Amino acid sequence: TQLLEQSPQFLSIQEGENLTVYCNSSSVFSSLQWYRQEPGEGPVLLVTVVTGGEVKKLKRLTFQFGDARKDSSLHITAAQPGDTGLYLCAGAGGGKLQFGAGTQVVVTP
Amino acid sequence: DTGVSQNPRHKITKRGQNVTFRCDPISEHNRLYWYRQTLGQGPEFLTYFQNEAQLEKSRLLSDRFSAERPKGSFSTLEIQRTEQGDSAMYLCASSLLPSGRAGTDTQYFGPGTRLTVL
Repeated sequence: TQLLEQSPQFLSIQEGENLTVYCNSSSVFSSLQWYRQEPGEGPVLLVTVVTGGEVKKLKRLTFQFGDARKDSSLHITAAQPGDTGLYLCAGAGGGKLQFGAGTQVVVTP
Repeated sequence: DTGVSQNPRHKITKRGQNVTFRCDPISEHNRLYWYRQTLGQGPEFLTYFQNEAQLEKSRLLSDRFSAERPKGSFSTLEIQRTEQGDSAMYLCASSLLPSGRAGTDTQYFGPGTRLTVL
């Protein structure tokens, strides 16, 4: 059972379009981390957000942490085929990460 | 490359056999974590170490599973009498928590070991 709910589960878009994925929980986390994972590989860290209301930008990726530190979103502008992957959010608490099930993003040329 | 490394990358075994996986964390990282990931799910926490001390074990970690980090550097995860339900990707992660500071920290993952139990 995943305590973090991610939506949508699957997203297929054309190159150049924008997309947003969401991560929601009823729990408060001390920080939240976003990862991207490709088939057969481990998750690769994209960003860590710590402060409620925080917004971080990483090139075409924008991450937001909710004011109450229970939810987060990831927005990708002008998606590229290289953005294809499984996007995972993970809430930090008690020395371990609790992951959502992920959003599979497919960007077609 | 100074990232987290895991060996082997793939392991195929028959039901009932024992298997052991190794994880080498980023040097100087004092925390090391093991997770398990099945198809269509996010990683699930198994256990973690701070230096050589095992601080927490999940209920997912049955008595057939044992993890060690004897010198506070690399770690091994052993599964005894494997079952088909043990088939999964086993992920290791490491982090650096400065001494005297409680809480959580950013974790960096290895490429994983894919276990298939026939």
